[in-house]
Amino acid sequence: DQQVKQNSPSLSVQEGRISILNCDYTNSMFDYFLWYKKYPAEGPTFLISISSIKDKNEDGRFTVFLNKSAKHLSLHIVPSQPGDSAVYFCAASASDYKLSFGAGTTVTVRA
Amino acid sequence: DVKVTQSSRYLVKRTGEKVFLECVQDMDHENMFWYRQDPGLGLRLIYFSYDVKMKEKGDIPEGYSVSREKKERFSLILESASTNQTSMYLCASRDRGRTPLHFGNGTRLTVT
Repeated sequence: DQQVKQNSPSLSVQEGRISILNCDYTNSMFDYFLWYKKYPAEGPTFLISISSIKDKNEDGRFTVFLNKSAKHLSLHIVPSQPGDSAVYFCAASASDYKLSFGAGTTVTVRA
Repeated sequence: DVKVTQSSRYLVKRTGEKVFLECVQDMDHENMFWYRQDPGLGLRLIYFSYDVKMKEKGDIPEGYSVSREKKERFSLILESASTNQTSMYLCASRDRGRTPLHFGNGTRLTVT
């Protein structure tokens, strides 16, 4: 039973526009959330994280929003660039050890 | 910069073979993990280790075992490989506390 869900398997966006990726979770004990980016034939790389004590965290073009009451988080990429084309994984943790991952969303940025 | 190295990028094994996947990290991290990635399922945790000789089952440990004899090295063992273990295997490490995982580049295992 997946506790972290990314319901959109893919997203296509024009270069320069905003990409919005969504993630829902079911475990109310989750208090640390992360986004990872993965290119083909490489391991996932850490992008941005947010603690449950915040509702927004920003790092350059990437912003993560957390809505605890809705058990929902989103990643905004503004502006989208061709190098952002990758698979994005949402992850969540309720402890110092385990991270639970979503199934991923493939983002394609069109020129 | 953290480096997590997986010994093989691609492996092809036969059903019933014993398979060893090796992982080494160079940042003295306490915690190490093995995940598998399958289409539509994301990354699923097989086993993790929070100290030398310590291990904990993840969400899908059946058919796997692990070994951590040294802090920097974490091995995943398939005792008797089966075709449903064909997958991308990802090793990761992290420091204590709420810190991000650092992943290796993965091993694509095919069991025929």
